[in-house]
Amino acid sequence: DIQMTQSPSTLSAFVGDRVTITCRASQSINTWLAWYQQKPGKAPKLLIYKASTLESGVPSRFSGSGSGTEFTLTIDNLQPDDFATYYCHHYTAYSYPFGQGTKLELK
Amino acid sequence: DVQLVQSEAEVKKPGESLKISCQASGYTFTTYWIGWVRQMPGKGLEWMGIIYPGDSDTRYNPSFEGHVTISVDKSTNTAYLQWSSLKASDSALYYCARPYTSTHRYFDLWGRGTLVTVSS
Repeated sequence: DIQMTQSPSTLSAFVGDRVTITCRASQSINTWLAWYQQKPGKAPKLLIYKASTLESGVPSRFSGSGSGTEFTLTIDNLQPDDFATYYCHHYTAYSYPFGQGTKLELK
Repeated sequence: DVQLVQSEAEVKKPGESLKISCQASGYTFTTYWIGWVRQMPGKGLEWMGIIYPGDSDTRYNPSFEGHVTISVDKSTNTAYLQWSSLKASDSALYYCARPYTSTHRYFDLWGRGTLVTVSS
C-alpha cells in the first residue's frame, strides 16, 4: 500500500508569511494528489486536486506543485483564516490514503 | 442543493451494534462513489472504504476490512457504515464523502460527520 508522509507536523507562522507543506508518497503517484484544509469541528475542504489545480472558489494564495513522489502546498501572504490543519490525499480506484496532517499555527 | 446529510451522534456500549447513515441529495446517487473517513479524537483522516451505489462494488482499506460493513439503499439514496460489535477504539468522528467522478476521485463533497462514542 502507498503511504503518504507530510512534513512538518506542526508549522508556526505569522500573518503575511509564506509557508510550504511537503507531502511524500512511498512510490510514484503521478499527480493523483489533493490537498484539504480542515478547521476544528468541520469537515475537510478541498483546496487543490491533481497536485496543482486550484478548486473553484479557493483563493489564489494557495498553490500546489509536484509529481511522482514529492508534492508541496504553498500558501502565500497567510491570512488569519488560513490557520488550520492541512492534509494531502492520494486517490486511486482502490486506495485513498491521507497524509497525517500539518497543523498551521499562529506564531 | 448537492449535499450529504449524516445521521446524528451516537453513544453506544462496547459489544453493541451500530449503523450510521449518509443520505445524498441533489445528484444521481447511483452514479457516484461514496466513501467513509474516520477521524479519531485529535487525530488525522483515515480512509475506511468506498462503495459504488450503482452495483454495490465496495472497496475497503485493509485496516478496516472485516470490522465494518459499507452498504447502500438505492431507494432512499443512503449509504451506511455499520459495526456488529463496537469497541471503545471505534469512538471517532465519521465522515462520508463523495469523489468528484469515477476518474478524478478526490473528495469534493463531504458530510458534516457523525460522532460515535463507545463507552461502558
